[in-house]
Amino acid sequence: KAGVTQTPRYLIKTRGQQVTLSCSPISGHRSVSWYQQTPGQGLQFLFEYFSETQRNKGNFPGRFSGRQFSNSRSEMNVSTLELGDSALYLCASSLESGGNQPQHFGDGTRLSIL
Amino acid sequence: GDSVTQMEGPVTLSEEAFLTINCTYTATGYPSLFWYVQYPGEGLQLLLKATKADDKGSNKGFEATYRKETTSFHLEKGSVQVSDSAVYFCALRKAAGNKLTFGGGTRVLVKP
Repeated sequence: KAGVTQTPRYLIKTRGQQVTLSCSPISGHRSVSWYQQTPGQGLQFLFEYFSETQRNKGNFPGRFSGRQFSNSRSEMNVSTLELGDSALYLCASSLESGGNQPQHFGDGTRLSIL
Repeated sequence: GDSVTQMEGPVTLSEEAFLTINCTYTATGYPSLFWYVQYPGEGLQLLLKATKADDKGSNKGFEATYRKETTSFHLEKGSVQVSDSAVYFCALRKAAGNKLTFGGGTRVLVKP
């Protein structure tokens, strides 16, 4: 069974650009969550999508947005990139939202802003 | 708001030594508690979990007990191996939704 797949693995952008990251969950999983990992702030929750609806949102500016498609694949978009957006972006999927379902993480997309 | 505090690393040990990583949390209600491990260049892997007070999670020789009275979920392993070198994260999750709140992570280095 394939795990959570995130593409691309590495990305280099410049300030002011925008970027789209993709996450394909494990087959049958309907919940996808996104996290930002930085050395200074650690792991921070961005948002969760379940059945194409945003369930929960973390404390990030509106430049960070996401969506989920009918096949449960999810994309995350960051507009007007800033140096501080350099981070490892992790996606996690689970069967359902809430309850005791375990979350499975992808290997992440490392975004570098020049 | 909810928060998780874990001991800062790095923790350096010799092979076969005993490992303890302290984790305490602040949260309303009855969260589920987790330990995740991250190896270099990879995402997070669930190591173990506990969903209610006095539950003990265990996996691959690691154990942690959910202590509501001390709001703690300390990770222990009796005999570490070089392959246990990684960053360990303690996390909590409330009943609604899948949002995980993580501690800052503890880097563990096991030397042969």
